[in-house]
Amino acid sequence: DSGVTQTPKHLITATGQRVTLRCSPRSGDLSVYWYQQSLDQGLQFLIQYYNGEERAKGNILERFSAQQFPDLHSELNLSSLELGDSALYFCASSARTGGLVEQYFGPGTRLTVT
Amino acid sequence: DQQVKQNSPSLSVQEGRISILNCDYTNSMFDYFLWYKKYPAEGPTFLISISSIKDKNEDGRFTVFLNKSAKHLSLHIVPSQPGDSAVYFCAASETGGGADGLTFGKGTHLIIQP
Repeated sequence: DSGVTQTPKHLITATGQRVTLRCSPRSGDLSVYWYQQSLDQGLQFLIQYYNGEERAKGNILERFSAQQFPDLHSELNLSSLELGDSALYFCASSARTGGLVEQYFGPGTRLTVT
Repeated sequence: DQQVKQNSPSLSVQEGRISILNCDYTNSMFDYFLWYKKYPAEGPTFLISISSIKDKNEDGRFTVFLNKSAKHLSLHIVPSQPGDSAVYFCAASETGGGADGLTFGKGTHLIIQP
């Protein structure tokens, strides 16, 4: 158990809808990262937040957004969903931001868009 | 354009023998490299890392070798055990992973045969 929790575990929704994925980092970790794992693309970095502020952006679509709240939990919002958004979404957290930093991953949320 | 490549989607090794997983990268700005292990229905788990100032890092049965001039790294597992059967991801970062996301390869499925 990494200490990172993600809810829900599974989500099934229709095209055009909007969903929110939730992540609670390990106790004391200030950084939260979101990744998408699809069958053909592997694990892709989406976005990072550090202590409530956006820190780095990866291949995140404009239809997707995220935020980190004062209690350090984070939410990833996916809107106007398309079939191709079906994937596993992982959240990770880390304590530091400098040097070699191990990221701890949650168990993921499996999103199915029908 | 894939910056981190794991060219073997799967690898089968006999229990007790050495497992060697390979990874190539194209981005010369990468300074930190990590290996993650993933079981089905779980998030990736950190295994071992190396920074570019080193060419080898060892942790128990796991050793990572880095050849910067060839932009190649490998993970050696000796001796291989049944519990090592999992998908292994190579990941890289320009800043150590703390101030940016990790760039992952697509993974190698290691199967340890009795």
